[in-house]
Amino acid sequence: DQQVKQNSPSLSVQEGRISILNCDYTNSMFDYFLWYKKYPAEGPTFLISISSIKDKNEDGRFTVFLNKSAKHLSLHIVPSQPGDSAVYFCAASPSSGTYKYIFGTGTRLKVLA
Amino acid sequence: DTGVSQDPRHKITKRGQNVTFRCDPISEHNRLYWYRQTLGQGPEFLTYFQNEAQLEKSRLLSDRFSAERPKGSFSTLEIQRTEQGDSAMYLCASIPLGGGQIYEQYFGPGTRLTVT
Repeated sequence: DQQVKQNSPSLSVQEGRISILNCDYTNSMFDYFLWYKKYPAEGPTFLISISSIKDKNEDGRFTVFLNKSAKHLSLHIVPSQPGDSAVYFCAASPSSGTYKYIFGTGTRLKVLA
Repeated sequence: DTGVSQDPRHKITKRGQNVTFRCDPISEHNRLYWYRQTLGQGPEFLTYFQNEAQLEKSRLLSDRFSAERPKGSFSTLEIQRTEQGDSAMYLCASIPLGGGQIYEQYFGPGTRLTVT
């Protein structure tokens, strides 16, 4: 049972344009959401996070939006740069009872110069 | 501090052999996680420690897998009687003292296991 889903395995975007990566979840107990970026032969690195008390969090070129009623979050990258080409994972965790994280399957972003 | 380190980076073993991986978290990070990642999938939770206590273990983890963190610093993950299905990237991550769910995990580069 995949509790966190990233339905787009890949995405190509022109440099300078907006990249939108989507993530859906099924467990209503999830209250914390994080996005990670992964380059080949490296471990994932943290990008941005959001808790369920917010619907938006912004950090430079990266903005995460959370729609709790739809159990959907998205990561916007504006403007996209070739160095953003990587695999992006969303991860979720409930607010209590565990410090366990559930990751999605990832979306490979390619930013074309 | 150079971040989370994992050793070895690559391991090739024959089916039926035992393997052990080591993870050194960032100093004073009290929570340590192990994940497994296969091709086309995200990191899959295996287990986590708070200091030396193993607090949660995935139901997907068979009895052939065991993890330890004896002094609350480095951790080892052992796989006994390896099977071809164990071939994967094994990732370790740590979180600082006091970090809550919203706190980022710091990942190591992973150990790639190939079982022939």
